[in-house]
Amino acid sequence: DAKTTQPNSMESNEEEPVHLPCNHSTISGTDYIHWYRQLPSQGPEYVIHGLTSNVNNRMASLAIAEDRKSSTLILHRATLRDAAVYYCILRDVRDDKIIFGKGTRLHILP
Amino acid sequence: EPEVTQTPSHQVTQMGQEVILRCVPISNHLYFYWYRQILGQKVEFLVSFYNNEISEKSEIFDDQFSVERPDGSNFTLKIRSTKLEDSAMYFCASKRGLANTGELFFGEGSRLTVL
Repeated sequence: DAKTTQPNSMESNEEEPVHLPCNHSTISGTDYIHWYRQLPSQGPEYVIHGLTSNVNNRMASLAIAEDRKSSTLILHRATLRDAAVYYCILRDVRDDKIIFGKGTRLHILP
Repeated sequence: EPEVTQTPSHQVTQMGQEVILRCVPISNHLYFYWYRQILGQKVEFLVSFYNNEISEKSEIFDDQFSVERPDGSNFTLKIRSTKLEDSAMYFCASKRGLANTGELFFGEGSRLTVL
């Protein structure tokens, strides 16, 4: 599986936007960029995914660099409930599983 | 909202005992998965299952592990003879259809403690 690099941890203040970076310099043309998160004591939860264009949904936005070698997950207004481990995952279009890395632990300060 | 449900939420067992973890995937989903997470470590893929057979398994999923979908609704993970290192959180997941970009829906997990 292609590798992603994320900071181990980040902090943000409540009600402010959060930008979670991910580097994936070895991404291939058939890799989709997926983001999942894992709230404390819960199973992972899908957040968003994209291929080339930026994507928005009710949870977050995904900004993908033009060369696709990096992406940023944007939480527009963080709440305490957004404190979680966020995983940036490359998933080949031919692969029906996802493989988790270590992710970024996001701390939200009240 | 439909969800993946797992039972038991916590099981304590003696080393060498057999354990069955149960999952009820979302009803119209076709792909099923088991993952595990040892305390403080990352979530690890164990096995994927489609059309009543294993489609892929990891190195962790050795002969001590088996999966089945006995009645069209439950999806079970059996560990034949548990070892101390099998202590972990086990997550079941399901996916609706063929599109490999489709999201996986995870249950809340079953915590297995092997003594």
